[in-house]
Amino acid sequence: ETGVTQTPRHLVMGMTNKKSLKCEQHLGHNAMYWYKQSAKKPLELMFVYSLEERVENNSVPSRFSPECPNSSHLFLHLHTLQPEDSALYLCASSQDFSRGGGETQYFGPGTRLLVL
Amino acid sequence: GQNIDQPTEMTATEGAIVQINCTYQTSGFNGLFWYQQHAGEAPTFLSYNVLDGLEEKGRFSSFLSRSKGYSYLLLKELQMKDSASYLCAVLDSNYQLIWGAGTKLIIKP
Repeated sequence: ETGVTQTPRHLVMGMTNKKSLKCEQHLGHNAMYWYKQSAKKPLELMFVYSLEERVENNSVPSRFSPECPNSSHLFLHLHTLQPEDSALYLCASSQDFSRGGGETQYFGPGTRLLVL
Repeated sequence: GQNIDQPTEMTATEGAIVQINCTYQTSGFNGLFWYQQHAGEAPTFLSYNVLDGLEEKGRFSSFLSRSKGYSYLLLKELQMKDSASYLCAVLDSNYQLIWGAGTKLIIKP
């Protein structure tokens, strides 16, 4: 398998559930990103990891918790979400990290999340 | 504040040419990206401009004017598969990537 993959592709959860989103990149990249994409709004950068260390956190609520066990895998743990958290969650990777993603980013297909 | 402006939606005819504009106001500039995103799919990289001028890549071209804070993406010989959203993103002086909301392009036969 090549590129950036994400699972699950679709997720419906209640506000009291705990779930995790998974991202895997097969490109040998050193940086990985989580984005939130809501309808008709710009992409919102949530987290950045470079060489498995978090380097960016744009004031994301604590109900979102990232984990990067190695340079190929990235998780987003979700708990006690709100309906307004419903969105498309995109994972991306780039060869290296230059203060916010100066390099071309390759995106996964995203997880469509619906919080009821 | 930092701002990227693109039209929300555009419509064009198959076989025609369309120009999607992007204007930006950012803290410094280190390059501008265009991405294509089909409905329900991930964004894919189209182009990167850091110097003024036109860069051509097949049916797609991207233009940049840094003095005007302006870029456009030009799509020629439009095909139905070009129906997608086109995202403009600017790298500011802190190398933060600032994204526009995207332009939804609808191609009609």
